[in-house]
Amino acid sequence: AQTVTQSQPEMSVQEAETVTLSCTYDTSESDYYLFWYKQPPSRQMILVIRQEAYKQQNATENRFSVNFQKAAKSFSLKISDSQLGDAAMYFCAYRSVRNSGNTPLVFGKGTRLSVIA
Amino acid sequence: KAGVTQTPRYLIKTRGQQVTLSCSPISGHRSVSWYQQTPGQGLQFLFEYFSETQRNKGNFPGRFSGRQFSNSRSEMNVSTLELGDSALYLCASSFLNRGSTEAFFGQGTRLTVV
Repeated sequence: AQTVTQSQPEMSVQEAETVTLSCTYDTSESDYYLFWYKQPPSRQMILVIRQEAYKQQNATENRFSVNFQKAAKSFSLKISDSQLGDAAMYFCAYRSVRNSGNTPLVFGKGTRLSVIA
Repeated sequence: KAGVTQTPRYLIKTRGQQVTLSCSPISGHRSVSWYQQTPGQGLQFLFEYFSETQRNKGNFPGRFSGRQFSNSRSEMNVSTLELGDSALYLCASSFLNRGSTEAFFGQGTRLTVV
């Protein structure tokens, strides 16, 4: 079974600075998807960024980028120019690829990010 | 376009009772998944439905069940509630039944069992 580990329960960053959230995963599969989700106090999970394992290029979405190291099974999230609205719980998630049928998202325990004004 | 709607938002039940939670997916989405979120266990997968059929099931006891209707709306039921069932229950809908498809989450139902 796949597992996802987020080793930083809490992180803080100064407004306008850069922060990196860590995520490692364990799998024997070669093809899969990795995601970062944000959960603000409203509780609604919001997709931040997605990475396909067979793509070597790191995904980028505006101020959010990932460092995907497939051999090391590492998938870190970098937030640049941090804003107060970035404060939230961040979850790393893994999803297997299957020819038919959805497979469940496997989540890490999350990292609580605080942004200091 | 309306997002994923979960009702009710909050619920308080007594041990031994049963509860039904509802999830209305985004229009056109046929896949609905349910997750339980607790401080201790984090987010755990309950089950997934696609076109009214349960496609995947997590490692939860039989007290947890679900179904999906022809309009893709889904319900989950928990019978004989236990204190440990207190959690945030999240529903996610997807358009296609494939791994790369983005899952859109609702705001959850906060269930408290007393």
